[in-house]
Amino acid sequence: AQSVTQLDSQVPVFEEAPVELRCNYSSSVSVYLFWYVQYPNQGLQLLLKYLSGSTLVESINGFEAEFNKSQTSFHLRKPSVHISDTAEYFCAVIAYSSASKIIFGSGTRLSIRP
Amino acid sequence: DAGVIQSPRHEVTEMGQEVTLRCKPISGHDYLFWYRQTMMRGLELLIYFNNNVPIDDSGMPEDRFSAKMPNASFSTLKIQPSEPRDSAVYFCASSPGQGAISEAFFGQGTRLTVV
Repeated sequence: AQSVTQLDSQVPVFEEAPVELRCNYSSSVSVYLFWYVQYPNQGLQLLLKYLSGSTLVESINGFEAEFNKSQTSFHLRKPSVHISDTAEYFCAVIAYSSASKIIFGSGTRLSIRP
Repeated sequence: DAGVIQSPRHEVTEMGQEVTLRCKPISGHDYLFWYRQTMMRGLELLIYFNNNVPIDDSGMPEDRFSAKMPNASFSTLKIQPSEPRDSAVYFCASSPGQGAISEAFFGQGTRLTVV
């Protein structure tokens, strides 16, 4: 079975400061990795994903995540956050053997202070 | 495409009543998922379908919950009888043929309150 751990339930940061949201996973098989974002009163949206190839993946709005197999991590980073990044961020995995069963972490609420 | 459409957006019902949540996936998507989100348990996968067939319902909490997908454009999640602990936001999501490794598109959710 797979599991996802997001150690930080809330991360407050100041605007224009860097941020890292941590994600660790556990799985006995290879997995695909995802970050989803949920803005207030909305459903989740895909932010970025790692399927194969380069271990560093980027989103269109400046976020990036790096797959680290040895540490079973997929931390999300942004060098300079904006007020509009205020949202809840979910790390997720799908096992290679289960092409569609997405397992989500508990989420990290990112709050940006002006 | 209007995206995944869920109805109603909000539902308040009394304990013991039957509740039916509805979902229209994105046209052409082969996979449909039902999730429940609560503060205590986060986002839980309840059940998912592939080509209208239930593939994994291991997340359905108990027999009071049932889900159907009579055709490619419609799915329901029913709770009968409802209980206060069922209060949550229920999300429906759909994915194209590659499944969720491509992208899961979520609806805006149904906020259910059972009093």
